Amino acid sequence: DAGVIQSPRHEVTEMGQEVTLRCKPISGHNSLFWYRQTMMRGLELLIYFNNNVPIDDSGMPEDRFSAKMPNASFSTLKIQPSEPRDSAVYFCASISGASNTEAFFGQGTRLTVV
Amino acid sequence: SQKIEQNSEALNIQEGKTATLTCNYTNYSPAYLQWYRQDPGRGPVFLLLIRENEKEKRKERLKVTFDTTLKQSLFHITASQPADSATYLCALRNSGYSTLTFGKGTMLLVSP
Repeated sequence: DAGVIQSPRHEVTEMGQEVTLRCKPISGHNSLFWYRQTMMRGLELLIYFNNNVPIDDSGMPEDRFSAKMPNASFSTLKIQPSEPRDSAVYFCASISGASNTEAFFGQGTRLTVV
Repeated sequence: SQKIEQNSEALNIQEGKTATLTCNYTNYSPAYLQWYRQDPGRGPVFLLLIRENEKEKRKERLKVTFDTTLKQSLFHITASQPADSATYLCALRNSGYSTLTFGKGTMLLVSP
């Protein structure tokens, strides 16, 4: 398996534009997490899906952020409209099953909003 | 509120010494605790997992302890090498279907 795949790797956009980040989890993994990482706040959990259903979205900063998981092999995180304070590295991670196993992370998307 | 605390200051040690990193938590009842390594520009990579009923876990030069009374985990790297230089994060999960939450991480620098 190629691991968790995120795209794009880098995104530079202007304030006010819509940004869509994509994630393909490892095949067979049924838990998916979106995180945001900054120097100040570390790795913050945004949303957690289990079997394609959002279980906990309490970390989503505000209504400008939305996430979907239409099927087991694809998830998106959308920011509309984007703001400079959204600049960060966004990671997607997947876990196999509910048991105590490791999370596999993608390479991340570095988002810069100017 | 729930908190996971790791030393924010970088840990500088000399090659060959043992590095010890700390993870403290409050208002969690974790089913297990994990340690990850993160290199610049990359996602975290899993190292070790320890369950709530385990006191200690070892893997090669790595050792993790877990004290649920003190609400603390210690992560040790023995015979450290410059290649061990990275940021190390601890993560907690209360149960199989709960969120996986990370500390901010501690940067380790091993000098030759």
